[in-house]
Amino acid sequence: DAGVTQSPTHLIKTRGQQVTLRCSPISGHKSVSWYQQVLGQGPQFIFQYYEKEERGRGNFPDRFSARQFPNYSSELNVNALLLGDSALYLCASSLTGINTEAFFGQGTRLTVV
Amino acid sequence: DAKTTQPPSMDCAEGRAANLPCNHSTISGNEYVYWYRQIHSQGPQYIIHGLKNNETNEMASLIITEDRKSSTLILPHATLRDTAVYYCIPLESNYQLIWGAGTKLIIKP
Repeated sequence: DAGVTQSPTHLIKTRGQQVTLRCSPISGHKSVSWYQQVLGQGPQFIFQYYEKEERGRGNFPDRFSARQFPNYSSELNVNALLLGDSALYLCASSLTGINTEAFFGQGTRLTVV
Repeated sequence: DAKTTQPPSMDCAEGRAANLPCNHSTISGNEYVYWYRQIHSQGPQYIIHGLKNNETNEMASLIITEDRKSSTLILPHATLRDTAVYYCIPLESNYQLIWGAGTKLIIKP
């Protein structure tokens, strides 16, 4: 069975640009969460979606947005990129998102120059 | 959400048991304790979770104190592949994993 897949694996963008990151959850999983991990720190929660509805949002500016599609895949969009947005962006899927284990993808490494 | 305290780093000899402590003195009665690990340059991997009772699976054992203020993750026979950063995360029903800095575990041959 395929695990959580994220695309692209690496990305270089210029300040001010916009970026879209994609995530396909494990088949049968209805919840997708997004995390930002800056080098040397633990992941920071950005969003969680369940059944296409936003269930939770972390302390990130409105430049960050996301959505979940009917097939449960998800996109994370970041507008007006800043140098500080350079990080590993992780997607995690779980069956329901409540008290269940989360399975993580390998992440998208975003570099803003 | 409960705050956790973990040692920043630990060493363990290959083949020995690795015991990773975590203090979560402000944990509430509804909060499970989850453990994840992250091997360098990979996404985090779920290990185990528990509420009150000790738990064991094919990867590890989780010992939670009776007052639930601390827990210990035990890797019974550590291998070099267990070198990773280990995160202890209390999780309430609001489903948000709040990650600290974790413990960098180095398994030495």
